[in-house]
Amino acid sequence: QSVLTQPPSVSGAPGQRVTISCTGSSSNIGAGYHVHWYQQLPGTAPRLLIYGDTNRPSGVPDRFSGSKSGTSASLAVTGLQAEDEADYYCQSYDSSLSGWVFGGGTKLTVL
Amino acid sequence: QVQLQESGPGLVKPSQTLSLTCTVSGGSISSGDYYWTWIRQPAGKELEWIGRINTSWNTIYNPSLRSRVTISVDTSKNQFSLKLNSLTAADTAVYYCARQGPISSSWPFDYWGQGSLVTVSS
Repeated sequence: QSVLTQPPSVSGAPGQRVTISCTGSSSNIGAGYHVHWYQQLPGTAPRLLIYGDTNRPSGVPDRFSGSKSGTSASLAVTGLQAEDEADYYCQSYDSSLSGWVFGGGTKLTVL
Repeated sequence: QVQLQESGPGLVKPSQTLSLTCTVSGGSISSGDYYWTWIRQPAGKELEWIGRINTSWNTIYNPSLRSRVTISVDTSKNQFSLKLNSLTAADTAVYYCARQGPISSSWPFDYWGQGSLVTVSS
């Protein structure tokens, strides 16, 4: 059971918008700790997609955006493209566990 | 552009010790307020943070692994290392080294190695 809960899978047609949720608790997201998002293409290392809840590193398309409210965060992908098909992970810090934690991951399928 | 590369044996016997090294290129491991981190991922499963170190030898370990983990740094070689002892099959995973923050007061894992598959089997 992951500390941060994500849906196992989401899907959408090319051009559509999808969102991936990340639900935590008062010891992580709800405590104000930043949420970061990573994209993992098949057989590759994770890549930083969103940092500090809402910020994109240089080189990440603006089709990707992050938000946070209360004990949850979300990743939105607009204008879906085939190349977006990957696993997505949220990550934060948990004060009860005294360490950094990841969500269980969400597989995004582009139909 | 910072690059990280893991190296070490791909097969280790149960009860033995896993030893991996991460070589950092494209920048000095001593520059900046970064933490150098190990993360693992069993096949088909989620990522698990193992621990981190900075060049002042300040370490933090995942409480679930703390009794078995040691992370060290060698600034002269621009490397940091992971040792995990008393291995079982549950330790079979892809092991990643990564750099942690800071970026604008947040601490993401911004650069990752390509990963090193370690299988624990006799």
